[in-house]
Order: sequence, then structure tokens, then C-alpha cells
Amino acid sequence: QQQVKQSPQSLIVQKGGISIINCAYENTAFDYFPWYQQFPGKGPALLIAIRPDVSEKKEGRFTISFNKSAKQFSLHIMDSQPGDSATYFCAASPLGNRDDKIIFGKGTRLHILP
Amino acid sequence: NAGVTQTPKFQVLKTGQSMTLQCAQDMNHEYMSWYRQDPGMGLRLIHYSVGAGITDQGEVPNGYNVSRSTTEDFPLRLLSAAPSQTSVYFCASSYSPISSYNEQFFGPGTRLTVL
Repeated sequence: QQQVKQSPQSLIVQKGGISIINCAYENTAFDYFPWYQQFPGKGPALLIAIRPDVSEKKEGRFTISFNKSAKQFSLHIMDSQPGDSATYFCAASPLGNRDDKIIFGKGTRLHILP
Repeated sequence: NAGVTQTPKFQVLKTGQSMTLQCAQDMNHEYMSWYRQDPGMGLRLIHYSVGAGITDQGEVPNGYNVSRSTTEDFPLRLLSAAPSQTSVYFCASSYSPISSYNEQFFGPGTRLTVL
């Protein structure tokens, strides 16, 4: 129930294409869903995040789509560029006390072909 | 601001050796945590701290110790290294609880190999 399932494990997309990464969760107490981007040799960095009171959040070429009833959320990268090649982690956490934890998906390695 | 810093960047140990991975942040964050990253396993929480003097276990705490004597520093100690501890270790900090609507800032990582 605490898991966040992320797919696919790896993804290859042509430059200019749309990259889509999906995540699913079970715990209905989760109410914060961030995505982290990690370049090789670096630590993860927050890319974009959504709360369940909205179904979509867009920042530039990056969009999170959220389906509360299906307990699924996804990251869409429009007009994918070689510089987007990185590992992407979805995550989920409950709002609340300091003992709650953020749970990460296992990551998707994205490669954009030039 | 330097953000979250980690030392060393790389380390090779022999089985049974001990060492301390250093982590420091200059953002006055209350919350700090240690993760390990292994291929196909994502980021797994080892230990975390909600403030100076307070630490708690995460998902994979065995074989690791932590302490938090100051707000800035959160070292991770391996008491007797094992090959299963070969991994990339990330320290992270955040202003508020790690579960709330808050960005976690990650350090650059320490790549540890245990022979």
C-alpha cells in the first residue's frame, strides 16, 4: 500500500516527440505528487509537483496529469529535447505529521535521440 | 548558498572497514535525510532527522548509524562495511517535514564501493 509503481523503466524518444512516464499508487492518504529529475552524476532535483485538487499542472514543456479516481498520475514532456535525457522519479507523500515519509518510484531512464 | 554538500564524492572500502559520509546544508533546514540509490530500486530512505538531536529510521537502516548534533550537519556512519552497501548515497534536506508540500534539496551524492 505504500508503493508507488512507475513505468516504463526506460524510454527512448525521438527529438521533438512526447515523452510519457506513468505512476500509480494505492494509498489514498497520499496528497502530494512531485516529480524529480536526475542527470548522470548529480543528485535529483524537483521538476514539477501537483496536489490532488487539480487534474493537470503545466510548467513549460512539462505537464503532470492526475487521475484521482484511478490513483494514477503521469509526466508528459512535450517537444522532447536531448537535454531532457535523464532519470525521472515520481513520488508521493501524505500531508501530515513529521513521521510520514515520501515514497519514490523506481525511476525511468529517458533518452532523447538527436 | 552552497546548498547541500557531501563528502567524499567517491570512496572504496574493504569489507569490515568503517567510515563516515559527511553531509552539510546551509539553508537552515530542519529536516535532513539519507537515501541510497541502487539500479532499478529507486531512492530508498535510510535514516532521517526532524531536527538537531532527533533521528529516526527509514526503510533500510540496518548497518548504518546517524547523529544530528547541529542543524547543519547530518553524518552517516557505516560501522562495518559490507559489499551489499555498495551504492550511491544521497543526503537531502527540506524546510518542512519530508512528507509535506515541500521541495527536498539533494546533495551531489557519494559513490561507495565495498570490496
